[in-house]
Amino acid sequence: AQKVTQAQTEISVVEKEDVTLDCVYETRDTTYYLFWYKQPPSGELVFLIRRNSFDEQNEISGRYSWNFQKSTSSFNFTITASQVVDSAVYFCALRSGGYNKLIFGAGTRLAVHP
Amino acid sequence: DTAVSQTPKYLVTQMGNDKSIKCEQNLGHDTMYWYKQDSKKFLKIMFSYNNKELIINETVPNRFSPKSPDKAHLNLHINSLELGDSAVYFCASSQERASGWKETQYFGPGTRLLVL
Repeated sequence: AQKVTQAQTEISVVEKEDVTLDCVYETRDTTYYLFWYKQPPSGELVFLIRRNSFDEQNEISGRYSWNFQKSTSSFNFTITASQVVDSAVYFCALRSGGYNKLIFGAGTRLAVHP
Repeated sequence: DTAVSQTPKYLVTQMGNDKSIKCEQNLGHDTMYWYKQDSKKFLKIMFSYNNKELIINETVPNRFSPKSPDKAHLNLHINSLELGDSAVYFCASSQERASGWKETQYFGPGTRLLVL
């Protein structure tokens, strides 16, 4: 079975705090792809990052960083020095095997307060 | 220079009506998708087309009929609309490689459907 779990439904932080969004995935396939998407209040889905199962290197992009650990089937997302503009719902998604679809987690709503 | 576009952005209609949502991508991708986001923000695949051929149909009611006139367009027609169809519908596209390498799906802005 393929599944993505985002256990944190909502997170509330004050600006400049660091925050980590958790993502745990399940798949029996050895080849798979993991994604993070951002959905701001305006409603669109914005692609943030993609990771392949054979590339466990962590990635940093500005204030964003991602920690991929196959041993714990996790692909966590950290925002450093959060800003109000980071307020959004963040989705983790899995694409595995030959399936031509994304399996989404339930999303984590992040509220960053000034 | 919008990558994936959808029309209309908002759609308010009465129960029982038939409506269509259009999607176009100018990324040159060969695969397009429809996803549904319910009121709890849960996103789920409905359909996927590759080179105008239906490859995924996720147990969606027959009232929903996708149509792909060409690789750049994927439309969604819904017959006899029901209250439960109220949701945000997202179109997406990606390029599927012959090598099997899976590419990123890029989403349109969404169509907010409200059935009264």
